Amino acid sequence: AQSVTQLDSQVPVFEEAPVELRCNYSSSVSVYLFWYVQYPNQGLQLLLKYLSGSTLVKGINGFEAEFNKSQTSFHLRKPSVHISDTAEYFCAVTLTYGQNFVFGPGTRLSVLP
Amino acid sequence: EPEVTQTPSHQVTQMGQEVILRCVPISNHLYFYWYRQILGQKVEFLVSFYNNEISEKSEIFDDQFSVERPDGSNFTLKIRSTKLEDSAMYFCASSAPYGGARELFFGEGSRLTVL
Repeated sequence: AQSVTQLDSQVPVFEEAPVELRCNYSSSVSVYLFWYVQYPNQGLQLLLKYLSGSTLVKGINGFEAEFNKSQTSFHLRKPSVHISDTAEYFCAVTLTYGQNFVFGPGTRLSVLP
Repeated sequence: EPEVTQTPSHQVTQMGQEVILRCVPISNHLYFYWYRQILGQKVEFLVSFYNNEISEKSEIFDDQFSVERPDGSNFTLKIRSTKLEDSAMYFCASSAPYGGARELFFGEGSRLTVL
């Protein structure tokens, strides 16, 4: 069975600084990878996804992520964060269409003024 | 833009009572899911539903839980006899049957508080 690890439970960063949120997965077969964001008291919104092709994927709000198969990682990055990026970020994997998603424990990003 | 809608947004119930959480998935989606998130914890898979039957369920989804799609638009989660530990945010999600989309579209969630 697949699993997802997000080593950083909390990441504080100052506004306009770069940030990287780490995600590692475990699976014996190829997976599809996703990052979701959850703002306070809201549902989960898709930031970006990797299905195939280019390993660098760009998402909404200036975020991007890079799939590294050898390191089984899918780290999320943003070159310059804003106060409005303060939220919980979840990495998720699924094996095939229609199968359930396995979510990581989440990383709380706090952007400080 | 089409969206997944959930009702109620918040429900408070007494332990042992039955609860039904409702969801209207995006209209042309075919796969439906329920997830839950206990306060401050990870998002946990409960059940997936396709072609009018459960396609996958987790060990959390025991006999106290059931799902159905009674009328082709609503997708419900029923908890027969609620326990204190059922207090959580419950998210409904759906996904599209075509193209390369793959992602889940989530509703805003239903917060269940069991007293």
